[in-house]
Amino acid sequence: GEDVEQSLFLSVREGDSSVINCTYTDSSSTYLYWYKQEPGAGLQLLTYIFSNMDMKQDQRLTVLLNKKDKHLSLRIADTQTGDSAIYFCAETSYKLIFGSGTRLLVRP
Amino acid sequence: GAVVSQHPSWVICKSGTSVKIECRSLDFQATTMFWYRQFPKQSLMLMATSNEGSKATYEQGVEKDKFLINHASLTLSTLTVTSAHPEDSSFYICSARGGGQGNTEAFFGQGTRLTVV
Repeated sequence: GEDVEQSLFLSVREGDSSVINCTYTDSSSTYLYWYKQEPGAGLQLLTYIFSNMDMKQDQRLTVLLNKKDKHLSLRIADTQTGDSAIYFCAETSYKLIFGSGTRLLVRP
Repeated sequence: GAVVSQHPSWVICKSGTSVKIECRSLDFQATTMFWYRQFPKQSLMLMATSNEGSKATYEQGVEKDKFLINHASLTLSTLTVTSAHPEDSSFYICSARGGGQGNTEAFFGQGTRLTVV
């Protein structure tokens, strides 16, 4: 079945770059997503990448996809304290399957 | 982006009672809706997928008689937790996706925190 894995925790200093990694197993995934969840809130779509792309940049966010290794990463440049949240990667060929989430802590 | 409204945002109910959670797409037609539950500090677990006008498809281990899902229109899906017990206490989130090729984004409601006492 489908499986998506992420590291659980990442701590960075304000102004540094953050890189959150994700691996998935479903080779038929068509889209891969990054969502942000703040405490007690729903999910906010940050960005997505189509499976035939290997990179997408959107302001401070850069998504890299290695389809051969089924590895996805999200880089946040110039990380701010407001970026502290849980970040979920998700993949879909039809159902949206989420990783366990990475808790990002940004230290002042 | 499009708006998905989930109601109520929180609910406390007595053990043995039923609770209905509504998920509405306000400015688009949601051909598919997904229901997730999230335990504290854990990921979202897909419970079921529903397409408008047809029966929901439940994930393995999810009791369809306990978690009743109705998707009677293109803008509304409901999840009813029947005979709720304390172990059903969780954060429930719905997600809606419109139809058509190239439709990439699933929009999420703000979630419903259910506490069963």
